[in-house]
Amino acid sequence: DQQVKQNSPSLSVQEGRISILNCDYTNSMFDYFLWYKKYPAEGPTFLISISSIKDKNEDGRFTVFLNKSAKHLSLHIVPSQPGDSAVYFCAASAKGGSEKLVFGKGMKLTVNP
Amino acid sequence: DTGVSQNPRHKITKRGQNVTFRCDPISEHNRLYWYRQTLGQGPEFLTYFQNEAQLEKSRLLSDRFSAERPKGSFSTLEIQRTEQGDSAMYLCASSLWISGSGDEQFFGPGTRLTVL
Repeated sequence: DQQVKQNSPSLSVQEGRISILNCDYTNSMFDYFLWYKKYPAEGPTFLISISSIKDKNEDGRFTVFLNKSAKHLSLHIVPSQPGDSAVYFCAASAKGGSEKLVFGKGMKLTVNP
Repeated sequence: DTGVSQNPRHKITKRGQNVTFRCDPISEHNRLYWYRQTLGQGPEFLTYFQNEAQLEKSRLLSDRFSAERPKGSFSTLEIQRTEQGDSAMYLCASSLWISGSGDEQFFGPGTRLTVL
């Protein structure tokens, strides 16, 4: 069964607007969450992470929010840029970023100029 | 370039043949991971090493798959008697793990395997 779920396969936004990517998880043992971005023909690139002891982490245009009670996290990109167009994966781990990661299926983000 | 490198980038083989992939991690990283990604799915964990020791292997990994990291640096992933279902992107990642904390994993570009 899918322990990490990205229920929307795609999202299209206008340049300069906010992009919100959502992720849900089912395993209560997960305590570390990461977002990766992937361009075609490249490996995933780390974007931002959050530990379960926090509810928000911010890095430049990227902010991740964690709602533990709802087992839900989201990635906000503000402002969105055409170069952000890629597939975004949500991943989770039970013991931090250096343990095995469980990935969602990914969401394709398209930012239109 | 000091990132994770993988060779070959593409491999086409016939069913029943053996294939071997190589991964060179970021030099100071002590952990190395293998994942597999099929179309429309996220990467799926296969196995990982800390230095030379293989710490965990996925139950989904059949006996036809074997991975090694003999000197704690590069790693190889071998698939014996390949099947068409083995066709996928094989991703390698590395990270620096220090007791009590962990760093994010850095991925290589992957090896795309096609089994005819």
